[in-house]
Amino acid sequence: EVQLVESGGGLVQPGGSVRLSCAASGFTVSGNYMTWVRQAPGKGLEWVSVIYDDDTTYYADSVRGRFFISRDNSRTLNLQMNSVRDEDTAVYYCARGSWPLDPWGQGTLVTVSS
Amino acid sequence: QSVLTQPPSASGTPGQRVTISCSGSNSNIGTNYVYWYQQLPGAAPKLLIYSNNQRPSGVPDRFSGSKFGTSGTLAISGLRSEDEADYYCGAWDDSLNRPVFGTGTRVTV
Repeated sequence: EVQLVESGGGLVQPGGSVRLSCAASGFTVSGNYMTWVRQAPGKGLEWVSVIYDDDTTYYADSVRGRFFISRDNSRTLNLQMNSVRDEDTAVYYCARGSWPLDPWGQGTLVTVSS
Repeated sequence: QSVLTQPPSASGTPGQRVTISCSGSNSNIGTNYVYWYQQLPGAAPKLLIYSNNQRPSGVPDRFSGSKFGTSGTLAISGLRSEDEADYYCGAWDDSLNRPVFGTGTRVTV
């Protein structure tokens, strides 16, 4: 079964850093385009970043220069979040593909607060 | 932030038909497929309709999609209580070179 499981979320102070991970089963992260999408509390879906199979990366304007997408190995996708801001508070989902996105993980909540 | 526009809410009684619109532009829906995602309460989005009107395996045929010009439509017929969810449209945007999502529609049964 194809599945994604995110981890690493939690409470982080403004200006701090946090690293999210996404573990894949049933397929390899290294052989696929992979995307991060976030959803602020009570809000809609916001595309964050994508990594292509050749390691080319793209970012939303709101996170460029602060967030970094990467792969650890064939099964793990990461999102390094630096200099976080209040507006980065959201559930972060990883998903297979660049478009369409399918499937999605269950998400991990990042709360930025002092 | 969202590039595609949806009505914030839609509702119906069990058995009724509900439609949700998704308005975009020439750079997204006008030239690319429309996709629909269902997000049940507390859950992750799930692909519901792809390539304008195709259903992934396991999605009931009560759900259907269509596209005309720069707009897409999701229809839910024979509405059921388990259809209560948020629905998001999406499409690739050739100008932004990334996918864009709709504002989301909450369906109440």
